Order: sequence, then structure tokens, then C-alpha cells
Amino acid sequence: DVKVTQSSRYLVKRTGEKVFLECVQDMDHENMFWYRQDPGLGLRLIYFSYDVKMKEKGDIPEGYSVSREKKERFSLILESASTNQTSMYLCASSRGLAGDPPQYFGPGTRLTVT
Amino acid sequence: GQNIDQPTEMTATEGAIVQINCTYQTSGFNGLFWYQQHAGEAPTFLSYNVLDGLEEKGRFSSFLSRSKGYSYLLLKELQMKDSASYLCAVLANQAGTALIFGKGTTLSVSS
Repeated sequence: DVKVTQSSRYLVKRTGEKVFLECVQDMDHENMFWYRQDPGLGLRLIYFSYDVKMKEKGDIPEGYSVSREKKERFSLILESASTNQTSMYLCASSRGLAGDPPQYFGPGTRLTVT
Repeated sequence: GQNIDQPTEMTATEGAIVQINCTYQTSGFNGLFWYQQHAGEAPTFLSYNVLDGLEEKGRFSSFLSRSKGYSYLLLKELQMKDSASYLCAVLANQAGTALIFGKGTTLSVSS
């Protein structure tokens, strides 16, 4: 079974702090993704990566950056956390092949910025 | 633009059958997915359709009509544990990197 893990289930940070969310997958997947999920807005893509050191902006990249130094690990960074970044953050991974596309999700990190 | 529509909420009773519809307009199409998400948890993969027709998997079935930009998820013999949000998502590119999600349908199953 594919396993995607995230570093924390719950996180509370103060406004202005630098926040790191880490995601690790164990299936040698090429693609990794960071989403945020908010009530009424659904899942929105922040950034994705299709290879080590490669990254692409998603729909809402402002206020975030990412790092992928190893294939299995994809980090989301909030340079200076703000209250409007309070959300559920979900990491996902998938193979880079059209024939096996399902994205597998990690358990999520519920971030509260006070 | 990219647009996926599904009803916001549905209710049903145990043992019944419910159909959750999804219509989509996307720049490309490489398959449609349904995910189930229980409150506070991550989405889990339910089904994948890339060709027209019905795919059956136990109590769950998913249908696709590419010409109509339409899919539905059919849940039979509903159980209380089926209370969850159901997300429709379209893969818009072959690389697997453009998965566009609908806002989800919250299904409440009562006894």
C-alpha cells in the first residue's frame, strides 16, 4: 500500500513565524503535491513537484514556498505565517504516468495561526 | 476555464441507494476520479473512469459520459459509515499533475 505521511496532525503557530510542513512518501512516486482545504472552497493546489528540485506553482502559491531535495520528501514552507493561512494542509503523491494516476493523500495537518 | 460542479449536500437513509452527480468542463481530460473523505480525515480513492460506461466496485459504482461531461457515483445499500464528503476530480493532463477537484458533496445517512 502507498503510504504518505505528514510530520504533524495538528500545529499551532503565531503570526509571523516561519512554518515547515513535511511530507514523505514511500512508493517512489515522481509527483508530489501540496493542497489546502477550506470549508466551501474545496481542495486548492498550492504547489506541486514532478521531480527532485523541480517545482511548479499551483492555483494559490502566494505566501508559500516548497522544497524537494529528495524524491520521497516534499516540504511546504510558510515564510511568515498569517491568520488567513489557518487551514487543513494535505500532501499527495502520484506516479508520473497516465496509466496510474490516482493521487494518494497523507493524513493532513490542521494548522492554526494565532 | 476549469469547472467541476456537484451538489453541496445530500441526505439519505440506511439501506437506500443514492446517486451523486458531477458535471465538468476542463481544458483536457485524462480520467475522472471519485474520492471519499470522512470529517477531519484525508481523501481516499474510490474509483477511476477514463472510458465511457459504468465501473462497479462492490456497493459503489461510477459512471462516465465524456461527450456530456458527466459522471455519477452510485452508492447502494447505504450504511451509516457512508456519511462523508464525496469529491469528484478530473485529471486534465497526461502527466498526472493537473487534478482538478470539485468542492465535494456532503452525504448524511440517517437510520
